[in-house]
This record gives sequence, C-alpha cells and structure tokens, in this order.
Amino acid sequence: QVQLVESGGGLVEPGGSLRLSCAASGFTFSDHYMSWVRQAPGKGLECISYISSTSSYTNYADSVKGRFTISRDNAKNSLYLQMNSLRPEDTAIYYCAREEYSYGPVDYWGQGTLVTVSS
Amino acid sequence: EIVLTQSPDFQSVTPKEKVTITCRASQSIGSYLHWYQQKPDQSPKLLIKFASQSISGVPSRFSGSGSGTDFTLTINSLEAEDAAAYYCHQSSSLPHTFGQGTKVEIK
Repeated sequence: QVQLVESGGGLVEPGGSLRLSCAASGFTFSDHYMSWVRQAPGKGLECISYISSTSSYTNYADSVKGRFTISRDNAKNSLYLQMNSLRPEDTAIYYCAREEYSYGPVDYWGQGTLVTVSS
Repeated sequence: EIVLTQSPDFQSVTPKEKVTITCRASQSIGSYLHWYQQKPDQSPKLLIKFASQSISGVPSRFSGSGSGTDFTLTINSLEAEDAAAYYCHQSSSLPHTFGQGTKVEIK
C-alpha cells in the first residue's frame, strides 16, 4: 500500500534551517509529481511547493519563495524540503503529498512532521 | 494566484440532515476542483476529485457538483463520523491553492 513517511521536523530558532525528508513506498515514485503542504496550528492547508516527476519543474508559494527548496531522489524514493531563514510564521505541520496526476488531486498524504520556529 | 472562498466557515448540523458547502474560485478553473475531509489530528483524505468524480471507499452520501467558478460539496444524511473540516482545492494552475475550510459539527 502507498506510504509516505515524513521526518526531520523539530524546534529551530528564527533564522535557522531544517531539512525535511519524505520516504515513499508502495508505488512507482518516479511516476508522480509530489508536493509539500503545510498547516499552521488551528489553521487551514497551504500548498507551499511542488515538483515534477523528473525534477524538471518546481513551484513555490510566495510565502516561502527564495527560502525553501524542494528536491527529490527517484533512486531513493525520497522527497526533500530544505528550509532556510525560518520564521515563526513557518511553524506548522508539514505534509508530504502525492499528486495523482500533474494537474490532479492529492490522493495520498503522509502523517506530517511538526516544525516549530521559536526562540 | 487563484483564491478559493468557502462558505460557510462553520456549520452545526443534526444527524441525518443534509449539508451543503460551497467553494467559489476567483477565476474559472474548469473542473480542476477537489474536496478533502480532515478529522482532528489526522491527515486530509480525498473525498471527491475533478468536481464530481467519486473516490473508491468514500461513502456515497458524499457528492460534488459544479464547474467554472462555483462548486458544491453535499453530504446527504449526515452521520456522526462526518464531524470534520472540509477543504476545497484547485489544481488548475500553480500554485495550487486550498479554500479556508469549513468545520462541520454534530449537534
């Protein structure tokens, strides 16, 4: 069955960096576009980054553009999010998400990893 | 960026009642509109894709309609287990965006 398992969250000071990872299994990872979606405490969902199946195309929300970098390693069935210059407003649960098609819905979600930015 | 506006933000409903949630897009998105359910402390779950296509394993009381800018999620005969937040999501253009969510409470 499809599994997406995030790791790498934790407590970091403002201005710091973190790298999130997502281990995918149960499907052909290289066939799917992938995304990172976050949810601040008590708030709604925000798509922050998106990557094509071959890494040829990436996209970012304005809120993270220039600070976050999405990448993937199809040989390792893994998705990554490098987060730099973190701000308190980046505090959220970060979900790894599989896109069913390039312009389709998210059909599978990870369990999420919590990132807390605080001094 | 396409903005999705859901209404209402909150709804308190008795079991067996019908629930209707609307989602309006700031520009036409065709049928690139999907609905998710999120229960407390859980990841979101896909309910409806491409405005009206059903998802295997999702109860038939959930249905969707609409195209262009106006969309509706309907829950027929609400059950206690349907207490959750519901989100619409557009994949017509990047960045993909979500509505602000609708919380459904059971009376």
